[in-house]
Amino acid sequence: DVQLLESGGDLVQPGGSLRLSCAASGFTFSNFAMTWVRQAPGRGLEWVSSISGRDAATSYADSVKGRFAISRDNSKNTFYLQMDSLRAEDTATYYCAKPKGNDFLGRGLDFWGQGTLVTVSS
Amino acid sequence: QSALTQPASVSGSPGQSITISCTGTSSDLAAYNYVSWYQQHPGKAPKFIIYDVTNRPSGVSDRFSGSKSGNTASLTISGLQPEDEADYYCSSYTAYSTLVFGGGTKLTVL
Repeated sequence: DVQLLESGGDLVQPGGSLRLSCAASGFTFSNFAMTWVRQAPGRGLEWVSSISGRDAATSYADSVKGRFAISRDNSKNTFYLQMDSLRAEDTATYYCAKPKGNDFLGRGLDFWGQGTLVTVSS
Repeated sequence: QSALTQPASVSGSPGQSITISCTGTSSDLAAYNYVSWYQQHPGKAPKFIIYDVTNRPSGVSDRFSGSKSGNTASLTISGLQPEDEADYYCSSYTAYSTLVFGGGTKLTVL
């Protein structure tokens, strides 16, 4: 069975840094683009970042570009989100997700982790 | 990239049908037949219920159906059941090779 397990969420001060991890199992991890989606308290879903399985090409939402960095380690079936210069508006539950369509995001995200909470506050 | 537009809330009685709309632009929903829908119960992760506009993943009830016309996609839930009460989100692939979500619709089963 596909499983995605996030970790790393915490309380951090504005301007601080945090690294989230997502450990994957149950599928050929290196064949799939992997994605982070966040949800602020009481708000909707927001696509944050994705990383290709084939060539580790990355993409980011404008709201996090230049502050967040996505990466992956195919040998560990794990991908990461390094979050720097954190702001109060980054407070959210961060979900990792797997696409249905291998290295293509368009066919939707068919499996999601349980989420990890990041709180940015002084 | 602006969020897709969904109504904030819809409601229906058990057994009835409801439709949730999702409006995008020429850079996303209108340009591709890559629309997905997700169901989210409080405190839970989103669940994948529709992909490629009309297709249901294995195990999803056939009471859920999707469609698209121009820059608007729709999710229809027929034979409403109490357990359908949840938040629903649409998503589209974009011309920038990214994803964009709708703002979400809260479904209340009366």
